[in-house]
Amino acid sequence: EAEVAQSPRYKITEKSQAVAFWCDPISGHATLYWYRQILGQGPELLVQFQDESVVDDSQLPKDRFSAERLKGVDSTLKIQPAELGDSAMYLCASSSREGYGYTFGSGTRLTVV
Amino acid sequence: AQKVTQAQTEISVVEKEDVTLDCVYETRDTTYYLFWYKQPPSGELVFLIRRNSFDEQNEISGRYSWNFQKSTSSFNFTITASQVVDSAVYFCALCFTGGGNKLTFGTGTQLKVEL
Repeated sequence: EAEVAQSPRYKITEKSQAVAFWCDPISGHATLYWYRQILGQGPELLVQFQDESVVDDSQLPKDRFSAERLKGVDSTLKIQPAELGDSAMYLCASSSREGYGYTFGSGTRLTVV
Repeated sequence: AQKVTQAQTEISVVEKEDVTLDCVYETRDTTYYLFWYKQPPSGELVFLIRRNSFDEQNEISGRYSWNFQKSTSSFNFTITASQVVDSAVYFCALCFTGGGNKLTFGTGTQLKVEL
């Protein structure tokens, strides 16, 4: 079964440092999403790509977060500088058609110390 | 605006008991999709079911069943004869057509199944 690949699985970083996460969606999936899940809460959308274009980044803290999907395939989410409040699970997902269930990756669990 | 409410924060049951997880949603759209996901301690989100707003037929899959009632905006999930492996956080989610497939999640229900 096809999977969404994410790395790293775990990341510990000091506050004010830069950190980056990588996601490779299921082949052929045009839509890619980054969600953030704070402990005890449901995931919330940070950014959505359709191919290489951003279609929704309204909840992305743009002063410190950036995301790119240059060739419309894999994607990178970056935080610079990291803050203590950024500690969370970062989940990547992809989908091929509207309304169909996403496929989520295993996530990157970020701890900022 | 879209909203999903899972009022049950945590449920504990003894193995083999039946358990129902509640989900209430709000949307002004007439066409939308509802989902349930399971999140085990390892953290990944496992897709369980998708239901569109025009299909109110209940569904059963093994020990799992789902009751969709549009009149009460509810999409409840029942596990029959629960097992320890069912222990996880369960999320209900909503997306509407034209909304770019963005999922709005509830806050989740932690299910603990004990021996």
